[in-house]
Amino acid sequence: EVHLVESGGVVVQPGGSLRLSCAASGFAFEEHAMYWVRQAPGKGLEWVCLVSGDGGRAECADSVKTRFIVSKDNSKNSLYLEMNSLRPEDTALYFCARDASSSHYDYMDVWGKGTKVTVS
Amino acid sequence: SSELIQPPSVSVFPGQAARITCSGDALADRYAYWYQLKSGQAPVLVIYDDTERPSGIPVRFLGSNSGTKATLTINGARVEDEADYYCSSKDSSQNNKWLFGGGTKVTVL
Repeated sequence: EVHLVESGGVVVQPGGSLRLSCAASGFAFEEHAMYWVRQAPGKGLEWVCLVSGDGGRAECADSVKTRFIVSKDNSKNSLYLEMNSLRPEDTALYFCARDASSSHYDYMDVWGKGTKVTVS
Repeated sequence: SSELIQPPSVSVFPGQAARITCSGDALADRYAYWYQLKSGQAPVLVIYDDTERPSGIPVRFLGSNSGTKATLTINGARVEDEADYYCSSKDSSQNNKWLFGGGTKVTVL
């Protein structure tokens, strides 16, 4: 069974840094692109970043691309999100999600339960 | 424009059909995806590629896409279908960037 578990969410001061992790199991992690998506309190979903299966290509939303770095360690079946220069508007529940395809960017098919980040 | 518009809420009685619309220019040449969110749980994909249902999703969930509007229909809605539903698609001008609608709260009265 495919399983994604996020961790690392805490309360951090504005301007601070944080690294989120997502532990994956139940599938060939190295074959799948991965995503970070967030949901601010009372708001909708917002795509944050994606990284290719081999970790060599990454893209992030304009709202975070100068501050966040996404990466994956295929030897550890783990996805990461390094968050810098955090702002109150980054406060959100952060989800990791798997891409459905093992060969190209397709869509998010399996998600974790999320980890909560509070910038205050 | 790079946005997807959903109604904030939809209410139905048990057994009735709930219809949730999602409008946006991106849907003219991109697939629509639908996710179900319940508090404290992982989001669940209920429709992919406009009309396809993942394994394990009940047949009462139907998707359609006509031009710039996608629709998720829950036929014979059940109490357990009460949740927030989000549509999503790739940005039509930036292939690896994703859009989400604002979400629709479905209440089964």
